[in-house]
Amino acid sequence: GENVEQHPSTLSVQEGDSAVIKCTYSDSASNYFPWYKQELGKRPQLIIDIRSNVGEKKDQRIAVTLNKTAKHFSLHITETQPEDSAVYFCAASPLGGSNYKLTFGKGTLLTVNP
Amino acid sequence: SQTIHQWPATLVQPVGSPLSLECTVEGTSNPNLYWYRQAAGRGLQLLFYSVGIGQISSEVPQNLSASRPQDRQFILSSKKLLLSDSGFYLCAWSGGPNAKNIQYFGAGTRLSVL
Repeated sequence: GENVEQHPSTLSVQEGDSAVIKCTYSDSASNYFPWYKQELGKRPQLIIDIRSNVGEKKDQRIAVTLNKTAKHFSLHITETQPEDSAVYFCAASPLGGSNYKLTFGKGTLLTVNP
Repeated sequence: SQTIHQWPATLVQPVGSPLSLECTVEGTSNPNLYWYRQAAGRGLQLLFYSVGIGQISSEVPQNLSASRPQDRQFILSSKKLLLSDSGFYLCAWSGGPNAKNIQYFGAGTRLSVL
């Protein structure tokens, strides 16, 4: 089955700096890669996703890059703000099939210091 | 629009007591449904998923079971809770018409077994 590794497990940055979280996956059949943000005590919420026919996707201060050959993808947050502090999860899944099961990384606790 | 309801929000149960957590989805039909457990605010462990009524797949052998008696209802149960069953339980659904892979999470149930 799929295995997703996520690094780092914790990340502390100063407000205004950039933050980068990296994930690798093992199953070459995976072609859908979402990122979720979970604030303390809340539910995970999708912030951005990318499919394997695209190398990069951007949404305001958030971008995701994908390297299918190397089987890794990354989340980039620019101009970080204190409200970006949360746990971020990457995940991988094959498109198609019937169960749309996601395999999650273990999460990265991002702290943005004012 | 689609919404997911999960209850109760918090639960304190003694060791050896039974458990029933319920999740319902509105505004869609034939969703895929998932139960996750999250320990210590990190790591989403997939417990069960269902692609249809009465169809349950178990990801991890454990003290829990799941049932799907109706199309949009997913129940997590235990006959006798263990201390190790404590955690944050999240229900999720996927299969929306425009984005079948995206999983949407409920607000979660925080279970403490004492």
